[in-house]
Amino acid sequence: LAKTTQPISMDSYEGQEVNITCSHNNIATNDYITWYQQFPSQGPRFIIQGYKTKVTNEVASLFIPADRKSSTLSLPRVSLSDTAVYYCLVGDDGSSNTGKLIFGQGTTLQVKP
Amino acid sequence: DGGITQSPKYLFRKEGQNVTLSCEQNLNHDAMYWYRQDPGQGLRLIYYSQIVNDFQKGDIAEGYSVSREKKESFPLTVTSAQKNPTAFYLCASTPGYWTQPQHFGDGTRLSIL
Repeated sequence: LAKTTQPISMDSYEGQEVNITCSHNNIATNDYITWYQQFPSQGPRFIIQGYKTKVTNEVASLFIPADRKSSTLSLPRVSLSDTAVYYCLVGDDGSSNTGKLIFGQGTTLQVKP
Repeated sequence: DGGITQSPKYLFRKEGQNVTLSCEQNLNHDAMYWYRQDPGQGLRLIYYSQIVNDFQKGDIAEGYSVSREKKESFPLTVTSAQKNPTAFYLCASTPGYWTQPQHFGDGTRLSIL
């Protein structure tokens, strides 16, 4: 299982772009990179998933370099409501049947007015 | 709307008592999971189930038990053998075994009286 490392906490201000980087040096060929967001007293929810290069949706962008040993979640123009914990996970597409997914401590993002 | 329902939202346990946390999903997902989250920590896997009538221990299964008699239901029992049960419990499901994204309920917070 690929272990991930991400900063414990980050601060930002409303309207700024926030980039959270995750390291996953032992990522395997079948592994995808997935980011989740968790608000207090709620379950995590899926934000974005990618395999390589860049993925963008209505919420965020995910940048993955060619060696795939790291990834960066980019949140454009954050607001106070983006204050949450963000988890980076690496896991395969389910085909290898080895499981599992490891939710580390995540990155606590605090957005200030 | 499809989703995962966990109940109750708050639960209190007396010493020596077993309590059962409910998890129901109407997403027609085959796989279901139980996690435990302690304050400021990531999620730790308790049990998971790939199909009906089959389940496996996760990383911290001691003091917990589960059943999977129906596809849509995966109740977790916190037994008296679990000496430190105070935590936030999250249930999740996926279409296939360890595929992503995981869909989470909004959790049950268990406290000791």
